[in-house]
Amino acid sequence: EDQVTQSPEALRLQEGESSSLNCSYTVSGLRGLFWYRQDPGKGPEFLFTLYSAGEEKEKERLKATLTKKESFLHITAPKPEDSATYLCARLRDAGNNRKLIWGLGTSLAVNP
Amino acid sequence: GAGVSQTPSNKVTEKGKYVELRCDPISGHTALYWYRQSLGQGPEFLIYFQGTGAADDSGLPNDRFFAVRPEGSVSTLKIQRTERGDSAVYLCASGENRGSPLHFGNGTRLTVT
Repeated sequence: EDQVTQSPEALRLQEGESSSLNCSYTVSGLRGLFWYRQDPGKGPEFLFTLYSAGEEKEKERLKATLTKKESFLHITAPKPEDSATYLCARLRDAGNNRKLIWGLGTSLAVNP
Repeated sequence: GAGVSQTPSNKVTEKGKYVELRCDPISGHTALYWYRQSLGQGPEFLIYFQGTGAADDSGLPNDRFFAVRPEGSVSTLKIQRTERGDSAVYLCASGENRGSPLHFGNGTRLTVT
C-alpha cells in the first residue's frame, strides 16, 4: 500500500536543541517529496521539494534531505517560532493527476 | 502578491442544508485542488482542476459534493444535504501546473450541527 509515515508523532525541544524529523514511504518511483509547515488554524505552508536521492535543500534553520526510502527535516538551533506541525507528502502519478500522499505530521513544540 | 484566498473562513450550518465554499487561487495558477482536513490528519484529496475542467474528481466522497471552476480561476465547492460527518476544514490549493508545489489557503472550517 502506498503510505507515508512520519515520526515522531510529537516532539518537544528546548530552544537551541537540534533534532530531526523523519518521513518514510513504502512505494518506489518517487516523483517528488514535499515538506510543509502548518500552524493552527492555517493551511499548510510550502517549505521544500526534493526530487532525487542525495538532494538537500536549506531555509534558515531547516534542512531537508532525501534518500531512496526516506526524507529528513533537520532543525538546527530551533526557536519557539518554529513550533508547528510539519507535514510531508510524496507525489505520484495518477492518470491525469499527480496526487500527493500525505503523512499525519509531526507536531513540534519548542520551549523558550 | 496575494496568496490563495478562501471564503468564508468559518461556516456553521444545519444538517440537510446546502453550502458553497469559495476559493480564489493565486493569479496565473492553472492547477487548483480541493482537500479536506480533519483534526490530526493530513489533507484528504477531493478534486483537481486543470484550467476549467475537473481532471480528477475521484476524491469526492459522494454525489452530494460538486465543484466548479467556470473561468479557470475562482472555484466553488458545493455540498448538498450536508451531514454532520461533512464537518472538517476544507482547504483549497493552487499550483503553476500539475506537479508544482501547492500553495494553500487558510481553509474554511465547516461545522454541520
